[in-house]
Amino acid sequence: DTGVSQDPRHKITKRGQNVTFRCDPISEHNRLYWYRQTLGQGPEFLTYFQNEAQLEKSRLLSDRFSAERPKGSFSTLEIQRTEQGDSAMYLCASSPPRGGPRGNTEAFFGQGTRLTVV
Amino acid sequence: AQKVTQAQTEISVVEKEDVTLDCVYETRDTTYYLFWYKQPPSGELVFLIRRNSFDEQNEISGRYSWNFQKSTSSFNFTITASQVVDSAVYFCALRGAFGNEKLTFGTGTRLTIIP
Repeated sequence: DTGVSQDPRHKITKRGQNVTFRCDPISEHNRLYWYRQTLGQGPEFLTYFQNEAQLEKSRLLSDRFSAERPKGSFSTLEIQRTEQGDSAMYLCASSPPRGGPRGNTEAFFGQGTRLTVV
Repeated sequence: AQKVTQAQTEISVVEKEDVTLDCVYETRDTTYYLFWYKQPPSGELVFLIRRNSFDEQNEISGRYSWNFQKSTSSFNFTITASQVVDSAVYFCALRGAFGNEKLTFGTGTRLTIIP
């Protein structure tokens, strides 16, 4: 399987605990994104990496959230001191390098990590 | 600011009927990209189509077709001869020009095909 891989698929944690999610993008995709999706809503952008550089962060990404992509390959998303409001599906996506104005720009998504904070 | 509106929250049709999902967008960018994604119960967002703002030619792919109308800022999606496997939540999304990497999604339309 050469798609975007996320681990774990499900995570249940107690309020106040820290959690970390991993995303492995499609090989050779230099762009990586994290989104959050709550029930009945569309995904909301959290952050974007081009190679190892984090180029954009949403205001949704509070100080308790941190994302890394240390070698420009896999990425981790950590949530510290989880709150019940953090319960959501966390989606990772990747895209190939842009190939000019008509280059591929679609993002390919993983199956997500469903976080439940109790 | 970018915005995508999918006014239809839920649609149910009987199998083999045609169904159109509406999408209206707002952007100040002159170059932008529009997408449709399908989210089956498994949760993974499946890419269906990308449309560039400078290419208004409509497209047909099998049972799927897309109608891009720049004048009305709409990008509608039609499934012809629907099948039960088409049941899913469908999202329309918008991305701006180079340097603006964020995808802005609508709230989705839940499509149920009744056998």
